[in-house]
Amino acid sequence: DAGVIQSPRHEVTEMGQEVTLRCKPISGHNSLFWYRQTMMRGLELLIYFNNNVPIDDSGMPEDRFSAKMPNASFSTLKIQPSEPRDSAVYFCASSRGQGLATNEKLFFGSGTQLSVL
Amino acid sequence: QKEVEQNSGPLSVPEGAIASLNCTYSDRVSQSFFWYRQYSGKSPELIMSIYSNGDKEDGRFTAQLNKASQYVSLLIRDSQPSDSATYLCAVIPNDYKLSFGAGTTVTVRA
Repeated sequence: DAGVIQSPRHEVTEMGQEVTLRCKPISGHNSLFWYRQTMMRGLELLIYFNNNVPIDDSGMPEDRFSAKMPNASFSTLKIQPSEPRDSAVYFCASSRGQGLATNEKLFFGSGTQLSVL
Repeated sequence: QKEVEQNSGPLSVPEGAIASLNCTYSDRVSQSFFWYRQYSGKSPELIMSIYSNGDKEDGRFTAQLNKASQYVSLLIRDSQPSDSATYLCAVIPNDYKLSFGAGTTVTVRA
């Protein structure tokens, strides 16, 4: 299996521009997570999908952030308009079950390094 | 109070020594605990999981859990330069939300 696939690996954009990050979870995985990692705040959960349905988006920082999962094999995280403080590494991760119960393993993608100038 | 706190490090140990990493968590109902390793520029990867009080050994890694003290630790025996990475403690306070600590950076000196 190719693992969780994220694109792009790097994104450099100017403040005010729209940014779209993409994720393909591992085939057969029912849960998908978007995380953001910064030096100041570490790894933070932004949103959790189960069976393509957003279950918890309490970590989404502002209305500028939105996420969709139109089908089991694709998800997007969109930032519009982007700001310099959005600069971070954004990870997508997936797991097989309905959550992270005992013995469930979380698989991370390689991440997208976002720089907003 | 943060959900998961780790000794911030960095931790520098000589090759062959034991590296000891500590983590405390705030939510008493947490039942699942994990250690992830993250190399610079890479994504986190799971190296240990522990669910019951006591020790769990896997190769050179030993995880220790004390739920009464809300404390989980990771020991790396016979540390190797390839163990140089940031180690993230993670806790599941509910079914799905994996809360991560800030991480401890370990450097193994050859």
